[in-house]
Amino acid sequence: KQEVTQIPAALSVPEGENLVLNCSFTDSAIYNLQWFRQDPGKGLTSLLLIQSSQREQTSGRLNASLDKSSGRSTLYIAASQPGDSATYLCAVYGQNFVFGPGTRLSVLP
Amino acid sequence: NAGVTQTPKFQVLKTGQSMTLQCAQDMNHEYMSWYRQDPGMGLRLIHYSVGAGITDQGEVPNGYNVSRSTTEDFPLRLLSAAPSQTSVYFCASSQGADTQYFGPGTRLTVL
Repeated sequence: KQEVTQIPAALSVPEGENLVLNCSFTDSAIYNLQWFRQDPGKGLTSLLLIQSSQREQTSGRLNASLDKSSGRSTLYIAASQPGDSATYLCAVYGQNFVFGPGTRLSVLP
Repeated sequence: NAGVTQTPKFQVLKTGQSMTLQCAQDMNHEYMSWYRQDPGMGLRLIHYSVGAGITDQGEVPNGYNVSRSTTEDFPLRLLSAAPSQTSVYFCASSQGADTQYFGPGTRLTVL
């Protein structure tokens, strides 16, 4: 059974810092990995999707990497802003989508 | 495009009552799914569908039924509500394993 974990569970940083969120999964037989953002009381918004054959994807200040063999992905956020405050979830797609518990990020002005 | 829509936004039920959570998408996606989100548990898959007429169980299917008569709609039925079903429910759709699009969620309380 696929299990997805995320470290840290919560993170608080001052504005402007670069930061890394981690996602680990137990079964490397995946088609892709996605990173989502969830604002309080809202649904999830997709940020990046990495196919299993890819090593990384970039969108603006976000960069996600994937090391399928070791079961790890990282989301790098450059020059963080207060508007980046949200919960970030990763999900892997094998037989179905399996989500991690999320990292709650607070960026302080 | 409206994307993925869910109704109602909020619902309070008494134990034993039944209800249907509605989900619709206008992106012609084949894959639709229902999740519940509980504090500390993340999102857990309840049921999913890979096309009209095809549904299957996810991780936590007990107490829920689904059907998929059209590509657009994927309702979730609670047969006899229990307090353990108090949660936030999200519907999502995608074209196969591609990017998932989520609805805004339904916050359900069962007393």
